[in-house]
Amino acid sequence: GQNIDQPTEMTATEGAIVQINCTYQTSGFNGLFWYQQHAGEAPTFLSYNVLDGLEEKGRFSSFLSRSKGYSYLLLKELQMKDSASYLCAVLTGGFKTIFGAGTRLFVKA
Amino acid sequence: GAVVSQHPSRVICKSGTSVKIECRSLDFQATTMFWYRQFPKQSLMLMATSNEGSKATYEQGVEKDKFLINHASLTLSTLTVTSAHPEDSSFYICSARAPVGSLTEAFFGQGTRLTVV
Repeated sequence: GQNIDQPTEMTATEGAIVQINCTYQTSGFNGLFWYQQHAGEAPTFLSYNVLDGLEEKGRFSSFLSRSKGYSYLLLKELQMKDSASYLCAVLTGGFKTIFGAGTRLFVKA
Repeated sequence: GAVVSQHPSRVICKSGTSVKIECRSLDFQATTMFWYRQFPKQSLMLMATSNEGSKATYEQGVEKDKFLINHASLTLSTLTVTSAHPEDSSFYICSARAPVGSLTEAFFGQGTRLTVV
């Protein structure tokens, strides 16, 4: 079966750093995505990792450990507009993208 | 990035009627399209995978006779919700992927908010 776990909610302060974790167990693995989704909108792509290590893109970084079935999304210099749901998704062996339940991030002033 | 257009963005229909949602890849050929459903405050649940020119593959628990999927060309897939009921009210999102080996990312349409009254 497919299982992707991430925290339900997180709260952080504007200007701070927050790390959103994701663990997965899937039938095959062809990479892991992070998406941002604001309420009522479609997800927007943030990152894709297929090799172990850290990928940095501006204020956002994503890390992957395939042996541990673990990834995290790191958001730096948080802004109010970063308040959204963050979805961890795995591209399975059959090339389907399966989503976790999402982490709702609240950024407070 | 590539563009996927989904139409309509919002639709309200009466219970018992059918609704068709279109998903188009505008600047690439999408051999595979995915249809997701998302209930409020929940994540995207994969409903089915459609490959151009063949029958869709439905996930467990999704009624194929209720959610008809057609992928007639490399740029268009449609989802028809037949005999819609209020419990079918949801956010439906498609995503399209180019052939394996060129793009691993699947691009999302804007989503369709379906309300059945």
